[in-house]
Amino acid sequence: QKEVEQNSGPLSVPEGAIASLNCTYSDRVSQSFFWYRQYSGKSPELIMSIYSNGDKEDGRFTAQLNKASQYVSLLIRDSQPSDSATYLCAVKGYSTLTFGKGTMLLVSP
Amino acid sequence: DTGVSQNPRHKITKRGQNVTFRCDPISEHNRLYWYRQTLGQGPEFLTYFQNEAQLEKSRLLSDRFSAERPKGSFSTLEIQRTEQGDSAMYLCASSRDGGYEAFFGQGTRLTVV
Repeated sequence: QKEVEQNSGPLSVPEGAIASLNCTYSDRVSQSFFWYRQYSGKSPELIMSIYSNGDKEDGRFTAQLNKASQYVSLLIRDSQPSDSATYLCAVKGYSTLTFGKGTMLLVSP
Repeated sequence: DTGVSQNPRHKITKRGQNVTFRCDPISEHNRLYWYRQTLGQGPEFLTYFQNEAQLEKSRLLSDRFSAERPKGSFSTLEIQRTEQGDSAMYLCASSRDGGYEAFFGQGTRLTVV
């Protein structure tokens, strides 16, 4: 069974700090990796995708992938209170998209 | 690009009634996914379609649940004889074939009373 594991948090960081969110997955044939942000009561919003080992940067967000370690991470630089949300890690193999339970991030002013 | 659209946004139903939800995917996307999410949990996979073919269903999916995607366009998810445990947010997502990103609709929040 495909599994995606995340620390449920909450992860609390002060405004302006770097938030680091981590995810591990079990299915070695996984090909695509995504981070979604979900505000309370809303649907998930895609913020990053990564397909190959290494880092991918987009604005304040950096996704990191290590397929050998089956590990994905998301760094948020200069965290803002508006970044407070649940961050979902998702992994896609040949067919389905499997989600972790999410990590709640709280950014305090 | 109008995004993924789900209707209704909210549904309150009595236990034992049938409900049907609709999802309109992004027009050029041939993959369509249904998920269920309860409080504090990540989205749980229910089923997915490639065009009109339903290619995979979760083993956890009760036979009270059925989904269709006629002509590979919009999709419907029906829950028969609803139970209180069916109360959740039902999410639809669509993507192109392969490993491309999936985009979600606003979701349908079901409350069974």
